[in-house]
Amino acid sequence: GENVEQHPSTLSVQEGDSAVIKCTYSDSASNYFPWYKQELGKRPQLIIDIRSNVGEKKDQRIAVTLNKTAKHFSLHITETQPEDSAVYFCAAGVTGGGNKLTFGTGTQLKVEL
Amino acid sequence: DGGITQSPKYLFRKEGQNVTLSCEQNLNHDAMYWYRQDPGQGLRLIYYSQIVNDFQKGDIAEGYSVSREKKESFPLTVTSAQKNPTAFYLCASSDGPGTGELFFGEGSRLTVL
Repeated sequence: GENVEQHPSTLSVQEGDSAVIKCTYSDSASNYFPWYKQELGKRPQLIIDIRSNVGEKKDQRIAVTLNKTAKHFSLHITETQPEDSAVYFCAAGVTGGGNKLTFGTGTQLKVEL
Repeated sequence: DGGITQSPKYLFRKEGQNVTLSCEQNLNHDAMYWYRQDPGQGLRLIYYSQIVNDFQKGDIAEGYSVSREKKESFPLTVTSAQKNPTAFYLCASSDGPGTGELFFGEGSRLTVL
């Protein structure tokens, strides 16, 4: 089955700096790579996703890059703000196959003032 | 107001007792999922269902059971066979294969004493 590794497990940045979270996956059949944000005490919510037919996708301060050859994808947050503090999960899966996602172990991002 | 409702939010049980967690959605989604969240381990898939009266085991199904008698409901039973049941359980739904986005409930925290 799919195996997703996520690094780092914790990340602390100063407000205004950039943050990068990296994930690798093992199953070359995976074609869908979402990122979820979970604020303390709240439910995970999708913040951005990318499919295997593109290499990069941006949404305001958030971007995701995908390298299918190397089987890794990354989340980039620019101009970080205190409200970006949360746990971020990457995931990988195959759409059309029951949407069965395998999640990474999460990254606790702390944005310090 | 559309969404996913999990109950109860907190549950305490004695060892050896079965317990059922409720998950109801009014999003008219075909697919529903149960995940277990433990510190440092991300989200692990227990069971998922793509359609009424059908469900499949996820990565950690042992000691759990589910049913999908109605489109809106996907209850999870944690049986006495589950060796380490204390955890945070998240239910999710999606609009069928190919769409991708998971919509999560607020979770149920089970503590076995």
